[in-house]
Amino acid sequence: RKEVEQDPGPFNVPEGATVAFNCTYSNSASQSFFWYRQDCRKEPKLLMSVYSSGNEDGRFTAQLNRASQYISLLIRDSKLSDSATYLCVVRFSGGYNKLIFGAGTRLAVHP
Amino acid sequence: DGGITQSPKYLFRKEGQNVTLSCEQNLNHDAMYWYRQDPGQGLRLIYYSQIVNDFQKGDIAEGYSVSREKKESFPLTVTSAQKNPTAFYLCASSPSGQGQRKETQYFGPGTRLLVL
Repeated sequence: RKEVEQDPGPFNVPEGATVAFNCTYSNSASQSFFWYRQDCRKEPKLLMSVYSSGNEDGRFTAQLNRASQYISLLIRDSKLSDSATYLCVVRFSGGYNKLIFGAGTRLAVHP
Repeated sequence: DGGITQSPKYLFRKEGQNVTLSCEQNLNHDAMYWYRQDPGQGLRLIYYSQIVNDFQKGDIAEGYSVSREKKESFPLTVTSAQKNPTAFYLCASSPSGQGQRKETQYFGPGTRLLVL
């Protein structure tokens, strides 16, 4: 079983739609959680950290469910510019700053 | 502007050849990392360095080597022992400090390595 699992998609949605991605992680000792965005053939960029209480940044909302070991990302009012691959990232406890990356969920927003 | 630079953007390797990928950062970050990304897979850690003159193997270090002689620089050498080197190579760094700030990693633009 992969340490971090995501639905690869693609999710094809029209502009203005609301779309949600889920991600599951296997290690219950995981400490920190992030969503990164990666455009085609570019480097990943931090979209937002995910806090236990849930957090929102404009049209983006992240939620964490530790009991079920999943993280979600909700995008409201989708824009064409939201088209990208969204990477779920988990930091496990212990030692150095090791991040485990999911393979990503691809989003395609169309006019 | 502070940031992470990687060069070259594209690199071609011949059979049996060692090649070196450059990674430089002027963010004053202590920790630096090398990842490999293959299509349909998550990033996999090759090597990391938490301070100058120290580095540790990641999950897929075989066929790779690194050095960390300066805080700003963390070059990666892909040796001839790496039998499947074609991939997108990403360098990252993270600041010192506590909590979320320390955990956030920032990436360079990447180098695409292709085997001739």
